[in-house]
Amino acid sequence: ETGVTQSPTHLIKTRGQQVTLRCSSQSGHNTVSWYQQALGQGPQFIFQYYREEENGRGNFPPRFSGLQFPNYSSELNVNALELDDSALYLCASSTGLINEKLFFGSGTQLSVL
Amino acid sequence: QQQVKQSPQSLIVQKGGISIINCAYENTAFDYFPWYQQFPGKGPALLIAIRPDVSEKKEGRFTISFNKSAKQFSLHIMDSQPGDSATYFCAGGPNFGNEKLTFGTGTRLTIIP
Repeated sequence: ETGVTQSPTHLIKTRGQQVTLRCSSQSGHNTVSWYQQALGQGPQFIFQYYREEENGRGNFPPRFSGLQFPNYSSELNVNALELDDSALYLCASSTGLINEKLFFGSGTQLSVL
Repeated sequence: QQQVKQSPQSLIVQKGGISIINCAYENTAFDYFPWYQQFPGKGPALLIAIRPDVSEKKEGRFTISFNKSAKQFSLHIMDSQPGDSATYFCAGGPNFGNEKLTFGTGTRLTIIP
């Protein structure tokens, strides 16, 4: 059983740039959720993709967007980066069933300078 | 986004002691309450979870106590071990699925010999 993998592990960008983060879901999982974890805080829900469609979104602006591919891998795109976007971005996959547990990747640490 | 308030922010417990972390939630639509454990450089991993139709759930050394009327729940770690040193997050999720979790701010637990 392969786990959730995220790339890159670390990334440094400057304000105003755009970034794409990638996630490969665990084998057999069709649902991917993205979370933002600021330093010293709990993860905050960004959005979820189920079978290639967005299925719920948290309180994040439209410059946060995503995609899910037919193999259920996913991308998170952030445009017009701001300093406050500096955080650990976590991807979690699941089977999409009610109350199935989330399997998190180790995250991408994004620093915006 | 409705909050989940977690305390304490940090906790130091002697090896063999009981670690207790508390959470309170606001959203009465929450129907699923997991605890996640996170080690440095890793994503959170599900530790134990409870639904509000029971007041307690025990798995090994880990117990969740749930008080629906007070909208509070807590994690008890019995016989705490140095390997339990990690950051713990409580969370609440809606009754139609658990992916869109609202996390607490985390408790950094340190077990000393």
